[in-house]
Formats: sequence, C-alpha cells, structure tokens
Amino acid sequence: GDSVTQMEGPVTLSEEAFLTINCTYTATGYPSLFWYVQYPGEGLQLLLKATKADDKGSNKGFEATYRKETTSFHLEKGSVQVSDSAVYFCALRTTDSWGKLQFGAGTQVVVTP
Amino acid sequence: GAGVSQSPRYKVAKRGQDVALRCDPISGHVSLFWYQQALGQGPEFLTYFQNEAQLDKSGLPSDRFFAERPEGSVSTLKIQRTQQEDSAVYLCASSRETSTDTQYFGPGTRLTVL
Repeated sequence: GDSVTQMEGPVTLSEEAFLTINCTYTATGYPSLFWYVQYPGEGLQLLLKATKADDKGSNKGFEATYRKETTSFHLEKGSVQVSDSAVYFCALRTTDSWGKLQFGAGTQVVVTP
Repeated sequence: GAGVSQSPRYKVAKRGQDVALRCDPISGHVSLFWYQQALGQGPEFLTYFQNEAQLDKSGLPSDRFFAERPEGSVSTLKIQRTQQEDSAVYLCASSRETSTDTQYFGPGTRLTVL
C-alpha cells in the first residue's frame, strides 16, 4: 500500500544552520506531495506542496523538490530561525483516494539560539 | 474568516463511555475529513464527507466509530464504548470544493480514555 517514511527526530540545530528533513514515499501512480507543519499549541498548517514530478514547492524559505526517480520529497531550508521549531510532516495524496492525506510520523525540529 | 473549530478541545472519558466530538468547518467548505493522531505519530485518515454524503469511511477502525454531517456543515464523530486504545488527538479538516483542494485543519480534540 501507499506509505510515507520520514527521518526520525528530534533534529536539533543552531540558529542559521542548514536544515534537511528526508522524506521518501511508496505509491502507485502519480501522487501529490505535501509538507505540513505543526507549531507548538497550533493546528497543522500546509507549508508547501508539489503535484507532479520535478515540481518544486517553496514557502517561508523552505523548499522541496518532487523527485520521482528516487521517490523523495526532502524538505530544506538554508538558514533556520528559532521560530522554525515545530513538528514537520510529509504527506501524500493519490488521485484515487477522495483526497485523503497519508502522513509520515513527523520530525520534530528544535532550533536553539 | 474563522478557521476550522473543534470542540471540546480536551475530553476525558472512562472506558466504556460514549463520546461525541464536534467539528465546525470553514463556512461553505464542501469537503470534510476526520483524522486520528496517536501520540508521536502522524495523522491517520478516518473518514471523508462531500457535503452530507459520507463517501469514504475506510479508515474507521471499528464499528464503534460513527461519523455524520447531516446538513453538510457541522460534523460529529461519535465513539461508542470507548477503549484505552482510542486515546488520541482527533483532527478535522475541511477544503473548499473538491477533495483535491488544500485541507485546512482544526486544532483537534485530545481524547483520553481512562
């Protein structure tokens, strides 16, 4: 079946460091891929998305490229801030699923000053 | 405009009790999803509504779980005879029209079954 695997956390970084969170997926067909973020005490928010191979999603300095050849959608940010501390979820949506999202387990990111 | 709201935010139930969790989607949103998020895990799909029609309930873990959206707006997730393994955060999400639009999530209801 379809699934998403992302690196385990917590990932602890200093401010201004480079962040990468790995995400790989298994799915039939051509899924859409998403990164959601959950800040402390808040609900899930869409961070970025990509709907076809080689698409790059970007938002708030974060980027991820849909790589079909490696079935990956790694999240990157060049210079993190303390305010980026949150849990990040990679997710996919297949075309035959009525739109339901399938999430990875989440990666907690802690940025220290 | 207001986002997705859920109530109660926290619910403690004794094992065997019935609970009802409410979701108010963004006004006018056609699609509504329920997810279950266990501690330290990602959300897992439970069920999907398009207006009042429940088009996918493949994720409901047992027949103790029941969801409805009778007028195509507010939705209720009901869990009968709760068990400890039902302890989780229950998330509701809505999207504007088709199921492929962006989903907006509520803050969730944290259910603890003692």
